[in-house]
Amino acid sequence: DIQMTQSPSSLSASVGDRVTITCRASQGIRNDLGWYQQKPGKAPKRLIYAASSLQSGVPSRFSGSGSGTEFTLTISSLQPEDSATYYCLQHSTNPITFGQGTRLEIK
Amino acid sequence: QVQMQESGPGVVKPSETLSLTCTVSGYAISSGYYWGWIRQPPGKGLEWIGSVLHGGSSNYNPSLKSRVTISLDTSKNQVSLKLSSVTAADTALYYCAAKDDIFGIYWGQGTLVTVSS
Repeated sequence: DIQMTQSPSSLSASVGDRVTITCRASQGIRNDLGWYQQKPGKAPKRLIYAASSLQSGVPSRFSGSGSGTEFTLTISSLQPEDSATYYCLQHSTNPITFGQGTRLEIK
Repeated sequence: QVQMQESGPGVVKPSETLSLTCTVSGYAISSGYYWGWIRQPPGKGLEWIGSVLHGGSSNYNPSLKSRVTISLDTSKNQVSLKLSSVTAADTALYYCAAKDDIFGIYWGQGTLVTVSS
């Protein structure tokens, strides 16, 4: 199985801050990676697909980069509604695997 | 846009079989995508259970493979999950999911299943 190592596991930042979350894959997954935002009691919502493509309707402050084994999600200017848990997900190879999640708190 | 709605019992007794159904709208399951299930224990992370392709292969999480069956009913446009011999560790929010090679995962709203006597 491909292991996805996501960091940090949690972080606290202020409105307007730039935030970066990282996922590392245990082997190359091309760009078959997505970033998802999950709020309590809700299904995950896709933010980024194909590592760097912004999902329609998602604010442009969210961006993704990377290919192969290292990927990042960046929020350029944090907003209060960004408080959530963020997951990376690789779908290059079965079984699909997830990062452990990053809990983002707004100070 | 594909939409999915899960249904099934909210409580299952230990050692019994968990059965869930996912009704898909906006897309014919015979047209493509891998169809499957993902679960999330309360307060924990996400775990892929498995997926099947209409007329093609199936793939299951090795940790669950001996207990899981995922099947498709194209006449009803539904995806089903059966998980046998459940224990409290199987208590989770269960999501129906469709996998696209480019866009990744489309999610249902999820349904909570509690294993309890």
